Amino acid sequence: GAVVSQHPSRVICKSGTSVKIECRSLDFQATTMFWYRQFPKKSLMLMATSNEGSKATYEQGVEKDKFLINHASLTLSTLTVTSAHPEDSSFYICSPIFSTDTQYFGPGTRLTVL
Amino acid sequence: EDQVTQSPEALRLQEGESSSLNCSYTVSGLRGLFWYRQDPGKGPEFLFTLYSAGEEKEKERLKATLTKKESFLHITAPKPEDSATYLCAVQAGRTYKYIFGTGTRLKVLA
Repeated sequence: GAVVSQHPSRVICKSGTSVKIECRSLDFQATTMFWYRQFPKKSLMLMATSNEGSKATYEQGVEKDKFLINHASLTLSTLTVTSAHPEDSSFYICSPIFSTDTQYFGPGTRLTVL
Repeated sequence: EDQVTQSPEALRLQEGESSSLNCSYTVSGLRGLFWYRQDPGKGPEFLFTLYSAGEEKEKERLKATLTKKESFLHITAPKPEDSATYLCAVQAGRTYKYIFGTGTRLKVLA
């Protein structure tokens, strides 16, 4: 199957700092990238959809100035959580799309904001 | 509004005790229904895609079926290593977006 990597896998930061999460599709090119967040024992909630070379589309209730998404190439997308606060602590998962009938996910990044 | 509901929320089985997980959906223009397995602290792992009512797919001890209103994930003679959260998602309409259910946390006891 397709290989997707995320870095870092875990990050702990102080409130007010910014954190960048990288998502790479290692063996295919993805024109579209989904970013999800997942709270404990909850399902995946779509945050935004990004297309390579264009601005991301954010879901209702997701602050675009807080969660900056860059999809500069077909194999790399980044999510930056700016001025993080404890309520931003969550599991962030990327999902690059290269086929409409299969969705692959990254291994996730656990963010803890103190 | 498109909606996906999974039941039960949690399920405990003895090793070898077969059971089924349910995924009910209400969407406009279903394009596909997907099952995933998610282990703690990891991203979801793809299991099956179903496209039309009556379709069935199997993989080892898992079998997924689809009707016009719901999908079942049947687990035959489960083993402890089948313990995980099983997520159902649907893709509907003209977008690539997936709508996820809240998952079923399965625990198989030895």
